Amino acid sequence: KNEVEQSPQNLTAQEGEFITINCSYSVGISALHWLQQHPGGGIVSLFMLSSGKKKHGRLIATINIQEKHSSLHITASHPRDSAVYICAVRSTGNQFYFGTGTSLTVIP
Amino acid sequence: DSGVTQTPKHLITATGQRVTLRCSPRSGDLSVYWYQQSLDQGLQFLIQYYNGEERAKGNILERFSAQQFPDLHSELNLSSLELGDSALYFCASSVSREPGYGYTFGSGTRLTVV
Repeated sequence: KNEVEQSPQNLTAQEGEFITINCSYSVGISALHWLQQHPGGGIVSLFMLSSGKKKHGRLIATINIQEKHSSLHITASHPRDSAVYICAVRSTGNQFYFGTGTSLTVIP
Repeated sequence: DSGVTQTPKHLITATGQRVTLRCSPRSGDLSVYWYQQSLDQGLQFLIQYYNGEERAKGNILERFSAQQFPDLHSELNLSSLELGDSALYFCASSVSREPGYGYTFGSGTRLTVV
């Protein structure tokens, strides 16, 4: 069983659509991260969350500690948002666990 | 440029060999993290150093070792290489040893073992 589960695995959207990617985890955490990996392979850290909600431009990340669930929302999606989005948690035991990623394709 | 520098970008080597991957963290960052990303295993955490000391250890094989030097750069040594060690190796840095801050990733070293 994976400690971090993401859904969906693959997502295709039309430009302008609102997108939601979900992440559920089974361990106690000290922080949750959303990462973006572009086709070239580079990884960008989008958000670090330990509670509540954060917003950066068109991206919004939320976390519900009690339900062990986080969501990443993209408003007004754009083809440049096409990437793999990875949910990662740092457990209270100081280990890191990663989801398998959500591959997003935004079509013009 | 993220500010985290990894060298080399690409490395091709034979089974049984030893290689060293290098990471220079972003200026001011004291923590360095190493990750391995392979096609079948996805991203895995290997090890974290904070200001020269090992802080956290993940799925790092005994054939692998790492250290962080006084100037804060870090090296990941991979020995007795096997075909399955072929992967992207990422380094990331952050200012703190605690998880309250985000990470900055390097562009990775692509290791191919033939």
